[in-house]
Amino acid sequence: GAGVSQSPRYKVTKRGQDVALRCDPISGHVSLYWYRQALGQGPEFLTYFNYEAQQDKSGLPNDRFSAERPEGSISTLTIQRTEQRDSAMYRCASSLDRAASYEQYFGPGTRLTVT
Amino acid sequence: AQSVTQLGSHVSVSEGALVLLRCNYSSSVPPYLFWYVQYPNQGLQLLLKYTSAATLVKGINGFEAEFKKSETSFHLTKPSAHMSDAAEYFCAVRLDTGGFKTIFGAGTRLFVKA
Repeated sequence: GAGVSQSPRYKVTKRGQDVALRCDPISGHVSLYWYRQALGQGPEFLTYFNYEAQQDKSGLPNDRFSAERPEGSISTLTIQRTEQRDSAMYRCASSLDRAASYEQYFGPGTRLTVT
Repeated sequence: AQSVTQLGSHVSVSEGALVLLRCNYSSSVPPYLFWYVQYPNQGLQLLLKYTSAATLVKGINGFEAEFKKSETSFHLTKPSAHMSDAAEYFCAVRLDTGGFKTIFGAGTRLFVKA
């Protein structure tokens, strides 16, 4: 079946603009995670959802970042008033359940460049 | 709080040689440990995971890792490197409590020489 998909794959935006990054998880997966990966670093946790409920948003850097998953499936990560330091690869992952033993399946990521 | 340290941001081996990628973790409770591989322009793919069932874990593509509680280590090995193993490898730790978040190491890029 289809894996985790993310769109757009690449996004170039000007400083100060808002961007919305989309994640479509594997069908039936309850848990959805967002990560940010800077060049040369490992993925850094941003937030996660169980069904439509945002369970943990402790990794969101500031209030310009927000995420939603209104129907418990597709999720959108929104960055308002983008800054150059927001440039990174944004990765989404989903899993059947939030328990640690369940594998997370990662999407290909969205490369965001803020000019 | 848990953390992960990967020793060596770059490792270079010859084709056919042993691959050893090091990972040490810090956790106040027994963790779940993972190794992921990332090929260029692709998402992360799970290689193997430790979930307390057995200390020696076998994964895909001939990789294996051994959980050593006394050394807080989870090093990744492969007896004989293949050119197709060239990629970036990430060690990660996760707890079943708290926030269920996964903490990744900074990654080790593996180069395989012909």
